Amino acid sequence: SQQGEEDPQALSIQEGENATMNCSYKTSINNLQWYRQNSGRGLVHLILIRSNEREKHSGRLRVTLDTSKKSSSLLITASRAADTASYFCATDARWNGTGRRALTFGSGTRLQVQP
Amino acid sequence: NAGVTQTPKFRVLKTGQSMTLLCAQDMNHEYMYWYRQDPGMGLRLIHYSVGEGTTAKGEVPDGYNVSRLKKQNFLLGLESAAPSQTSVYFCASSHTGTSFTGELFFGEGSRLTVL
Repeated sequence: SQQGEEDPQALSIQEGENATMNCSYKTSINNLQWYRQNSGRGLVHLILIRSNEREKHSGRLRVTLDTSKKSSSLLITASRAADTASYFCATDARWNGTGRRALTFGSGTRLQVQP
Repeated sequence: NAGVTQTPKFRVLKTGQSMTLLCAQDMNHEYMYWYRQDPGMGLRLIHYSVGEGTTAKGEVPDGYNVSRLKKQNFLLGLESAAPSQTSVYFCASSHTGTSFTGELFFGEGSRLTVL
């Protein structure tokens, strides 16, 4: 089963608007990460937020984390057409039975920014 | 600096054929991973390695084998390909386990079709 689930599955906005994507997870984490994937390309790391942090900024990105609700959100401000991509959250869930943590990904939010 | 390089980028196999995907990283990373990406499923971890000479099973290891004979290379093998293994395969690497630093560096992907 997926550890992280993004919402919405797809989002279409106009250039200049803000885009908000949400991620919910099930088990305790040390950190949560967001990645971006352009069509036909590999994933690129955007930002990492640790479990003891509540908010983090990087350029036009703002990530929040609420461990009590087991949820995170990614906000992209003043979106551009070049932000069109899929966005994935990933958590370092403890692996089944082995005690070793591995990064597990949600199914992603497809963001379309219309010029 | 090439980062993570995957070969081949595309491959078509017939059911029952075997093949090997090669992943090479030039960042001196200890950890390497193989994921598969299917529509609506996000990325799922197949196998991973925490150092030269070590391998471990991930979420969906059945039908795959891996080897890490050299620190910079991580090979993913399919001994008898099945149509269910049609997918896009991503290799990734990290300096340490994700619970310590977090960021994964991904290759551009290898698209495999099994007929």
